[in-house]
Amino acid sequence: ETGVTQSPTHLIKTRGQQVTLRCSSQSGHNTVSWYQQALGQGPQFIFQYYREEENGRGNFPPRFSGLQFPNYSSELNVNALELDDSALYLCASSSPGRDYEQYFGPGTRLTVT
Amino acid sequence: AQKITQTQPGMFVQEKEAVTLDCTYDTSDQSYGLFWYKQPSSGEMIFLIYQGSYDEQNATEGRYSLNFQKARKSANLVISASQLGDSAMYFCVHPQGGKLIFGQGTELSVKP
Repeated sequence: ETGVTQSPTHLIKTRGQQVTLRCSSQSGHNTVSWYQQALGQGPQFIFQYYREEENGRGNFPPRFSGLQFPNYSSELNVNALELDDSALYLCASSSPGRDYEQYFGPGTRLTVT
Repeated sequence: AQKITQTQPGMFVQEKEAVTLDCTYDTSDQSYGLFWYKQPSSGEMIFLIYQGSYDEQNATEGRYSLNFQKARKSANLVISASQLGDSAMYFCVHPQGGKLIFGQGTELSVKP
């Protein structure tokens, strides 16, 4: 059984640029959630995707957007990057009917300069 | 609003001793669960233990146990016989509507 994977591991971008982060869910999981974790803080829920549709969103502006593909992998896109977007971005997947039991990937560390 | 509070930003414990990490929660749900996750410096979130609000017994998983006091709305994590590899951030988490609500975390350092 393959766990949740994320790419890239690290990324450095300049303010104003756009970035795409990728996540492959664990086998059998059709729900993907994204979290932003600023340094020294707990993760904050960005949004969740279920069957290719957004299924809940946290308090993040529209420049944070996502996609889910038929194989349940997912992308997180952030436009017009700001310095405060520097964080660890975590992806978590869950199986049908068990979205409270989420399995996390290793994260992508984004630095915006 | 659902909220998780961890009041200990950092904790130290001597190797082989037990340590308790505090967590209080605020929820309007009648039935709910609480998790604890460990996050080493590598960044990955590792599931440790789960407690359901209607579970009659406190949850245990190896060296981890949960001191669940429903009336006080607390769900403290107890780690027995601490090991150097236990040094990490620990998060108390409440699932709500498909999303996970995290506390601020407690950084545990185990001294040799």
